[in-house]
Amino acid sequence: NAGVMQNPRHLVRRRGQEARLRCSPMKGHSHVYWYRQLPEEGLKFMVYLQKENIIDESGMPKERFSAEFPKEGPSILRIQQVVRGDSAAYFCASSTRAGDGGTYNEQFFGPGTRLTVL
Amino acid sequence: LAKTTQPISMDSYEGQEVNITCSHNNIATNDYITWYQQFPSQGPRFIIQGYKTKVTNEVASLFIPADRKSSTLSLPRVSLSDTAVYYCLVGAYSSGGYNKLIFGAGTRLAVHP
Repeated sequence: NAGVMQNPRHLVRRRGQEARLRCSPMKGHSHVYWYRQLPEEGLKFMVYLQKENIIDESGMPKERFSAEFPKEGPSILRIQQVVRGDSAAYFCASSTRAGDGGTYNEQFFGPGTRLTVL
Repeated sequence: LAKTTQPISMDSYEGQEVNITCSHNNIATNDYITWYQQFPSQGPRFIIQGYKTKVTNEVASLFIPADRKSSTLSLPRVSLSDTAVYYCLVGAYSSGGYNKLIFGAGTRLAVHP
């Protein structure tokens, strides 16, 4: 059973270009979460999606960032017109379902995509 | 979600027991305490979760006093491969909700030969 897959692992973009980060959740998982991690810091929640729905995007910057999780295919985090401050590691996690009566549904993380903006 | 405070870094030697304490003074009644481990260039990995008293699995133990305002992650006989960042998270996983994990800066554990 393959884990969460993310690609590319490393992405280099010049300022003003677009970055597309892909996440394939674990088999059977329909919930996807995106986090961003700056160097020497903890992960920061960005967005939570279920198939074809954005449930919580409270951690997403208002501009240039968007996310989707289509019925078929991977979840995509899209960053338009990248700036140097977007350089970070972006992690995707998946789970089987949301919180359920106090039961923890473990989030399984992918290896991350390291975005470098030149 | 309750704020957590943990040491920025710790050092240990192979074979020793390591205890990392996390303070969460404002923990709510329905909050659980969860610990994650992150190796360099990897995503975090779930280690252990508890609500009160003591929880033990094949990797670690988690001690939670009666007032639940702190918790201690215990790693028995660490090895070099336990060098990582350890995150303490506190949150509720109630029905209808979801797990929006809130990570602090974590504790950087360095295990030396």
